[in-house]
Amino acid sequence: DTGVSQDPRHKITKRGQNVTFRCDPISEHNRLYWYRQTLGQGPEFLTYFQNEAQLEKSRLLSDRFSAERPKGSFSTLEIQRTEQGDSAMYLCASRPLGGGYEQYFGPGTRLTVT
Amino acid sequence: AQTVTQSQPEMSVQEAETVTLSCTYDTSESDYYLFWYKQPPSRQMILVIRQEAYKQQNATENRFSVNFQKAAKSFSLKISDSQLGDAAMYFCAYRLEVPGANSKLTFGKGITLSVRP
Repeated sequence: DTGVSQDPRHKITKRGQNVTFRCDPISEHNRLYWYRQTLGQGPEFLTYFQNEAQLEKSRLLSDRFSAERPKGSFSTLEIQRTEQGDSAMYLCASRPLGGGYEQYFGPGTRLTVT
Repeated sequence: AQTVTQSQPEMSVQEAETVTLSCTYDTSESDYYLFWYKQPPSRQMILVIRQEAYKQQNATENRFSVNFQKAAKSFSLKISDSQLGDAAMYFCAYRLEVPGANSKLTFGKGITLSVRP
């Protein structure tokens, strides 16, 4: 169990560019979550996967955002045509299927859009 | 919709002293979990303590304990014998526990705790 990992840890991009982040959950964790955290705020839910199925998307996830989890393992979050308002920390978390288990968070990807 | 409110943006405590962080929440559900997460500067979020709503007994983890008042929808965290390593941002979070639900977390805005040596 090596924990949840995210790549890259930091990304600086120009407005209008596309970016993609990767999350590797703890192995055998069926559930995977993406959150967005802006400076001085708590994380906000973006989307949820159970295995490879994306079961819920927040209204925060505009059409420019897309997330995938092929084969139910790692997940990617892509932002197209980035805007300055997309600057935030993007957190990934995973947990096993079943009740009572905590979510384990990755270190996050900090995105800065200039 | 569920909401979590942390009204104190910052708190400070002397090393070895006790501090209490406040949290209130709003829900119409009966089965849920409450959490306190710790996020040190530039480090990942870790779970401090968890409380199941159906349990009347307050959860305790070493120096950390909670005061869970279900009727008042209050969930405070007490840190005893504060240490320098406790300095971090603390988030209160809610999770609905319903079979088949996605169990996403709803977080408060957080509170920055500083520990004075």
